[in-house]
Amino acid sequence: KQEVTQIPAALSVPEGENLVLNCSFTDSAIYNLQWFRQDPGKGLTSLLLIQSSQREQTSGRLNASLDKSSGRSTLYIAASQPGDSATYLCAVRLREAGNNRKLIWGLGTSLAVNP
Amino acid sequence: SQTIHQWPATLVQPVGSPLSLECTVEGTSNPNLYWYRQAAGRGLQLLFYSVGIGQISSEVPQNLSASRPQDRQFILSSKKLLLSDSGFYLCAWRVRGVNTEAFFGQGTRLTVV
Repeated sequence: KQEVTQIPAALSVPEGENLVLNCSFTDSAIYNLQWFRQDPGKGLTSLLLIQSSQREQTSGRLNASLDKSSGRSTLYIAASQPGDSATYLCAVRLREAGNNRKLIWGLGTSLAVNP
Repeated sequence: SQTIHQWPATLVQPVGSPLSLECTVEGTSNPNLYWYRQAAGRGLQLLFYSVGIGQISSEVPQNLSASRPQDRQFILSSKKLLLSDSGFYLCAWRVRGVNTEAFFGQGTRLTVV
């Protein structure tokens, strides 16, 4: 059974710091991994999707990597800003016949960037 | 561009009352549609998904039901709400295919009193 874990559960950093959020999964049979951002009381915003054949994806100050064999993904945020404060969630899409429409979710990392 | 609308944003309903949450998607055709519930400390739970009009798959037994009367409309319903139905409900869509992104609505905060 696929399980997704995000560590740490919460993180507080000063503005300007580069930081890394971690996501691990137990079964490497995935199609892709997607990172989301969620502001309090709001819906989820898609940040990056990495296909299983890819090693990384970049968008602005965000860089996500994927090591499928070790079951790990990292989200790197460069030069963090107070506006980056949010909960960051990762989810994997299973490569499993009849079950590939589902995303398996981590519980998220709550990030606070302090001015 | 594609957009997803979900309403209402917040809802307070008495126990035993009916529920109807609506989600519509614009700018795409034949999307896969999803209803999730998010509870504090428990992550996102997939409730229903639909791959076409009238096609609904339920992931967990519960007091809720879903319907897809039109291609880009997805409705979450209940005949009689329970206290345990309180939570944050999210609608999502994605283009068919295995490597397509999921996009979410802004969510509905439901409080059953």
